[in-house]
Amino acid sequence: DIVLTQSPDSLAVSLGERATINCRSSQSVFYSSNNKNYLTWYQQKPGQPPKVLIYWASTRESGVPDRFSGSGSGTDFTLTISSLQSEDVAVYYCQQFYSPPRTFGRGTKVEIK
Amino acid sequence: QVQLQQWGAGLLKPSETLSLTCAVYGGSFSGYYWGWIRQPPGKGLEWIGEIDHTGSTNYNPSLTSRVTISLDTSKNQFSLKLSSVTAADTGVYYCARGWGRPTWGQGILVSVSS
Repeated sequence: DIVLTQSPDSLAVSLGERATINCRSSQSVFYSSNNKNYLTWYQQKPGQPPKVLIYWASTRESGVPDRFSGSGSGTDFTLTISSLQSEDVAVYYCQQFYSPPRTFGRGTKVEIK
Repeated sequence: QVQLQQWGAGLLKPSETLSLTCAVYGGSFSGYYWGWIRQPPGKGLEWIGEIDHTGSTNYNPSLTSRVTISLDTSKNQFSLKLSSVTAADTGVYYCARGWGRPTWGQGILVSVSS
């Protein structure tokens, strides 16, 4: 099974400041045949299903503000919120869809400092 | 735009079988994986398993002895059965279409208590 290790478990960032979340995979989730990383970032707010922010590791979902960006390849990935807004308070998860079981990271809780 | 609507029993006793169904509106089964994910109260997301349009399944190794996912294309539905439930199976269960950019159901809270 591919294990995704997210860090930190939680972080508190001032409004307007940058938040950075990391996701490390126990094995590569990059398919050389199509040059894509099989990793998705989600945002989850209480009482709601997860919402896709970023797929293929760096492609922003339609309608997602451009302050959210994803980067990385192979085994190391990063979700960046460039200027934290109050509505960004949530838990963020990474998920690999390279192979089953399609595992999730443990989540990172983002709060306002 | 595809929508998923899920239903099933929300309260079970230990040793009973959890049974949930997810109906698909506005889309076909071809070309996608159809999956189940769960989330214990206050905890993270756990992938349960998936089925494709041919009926081929993959399950989480930690649950494989107890889980069955099936497909009914005539009703545009897929289902989850989890046998011999315990309190550890309590949580919100989600159905989903596809991976990468999945569409999620609304979630249903299943509680296991004697």
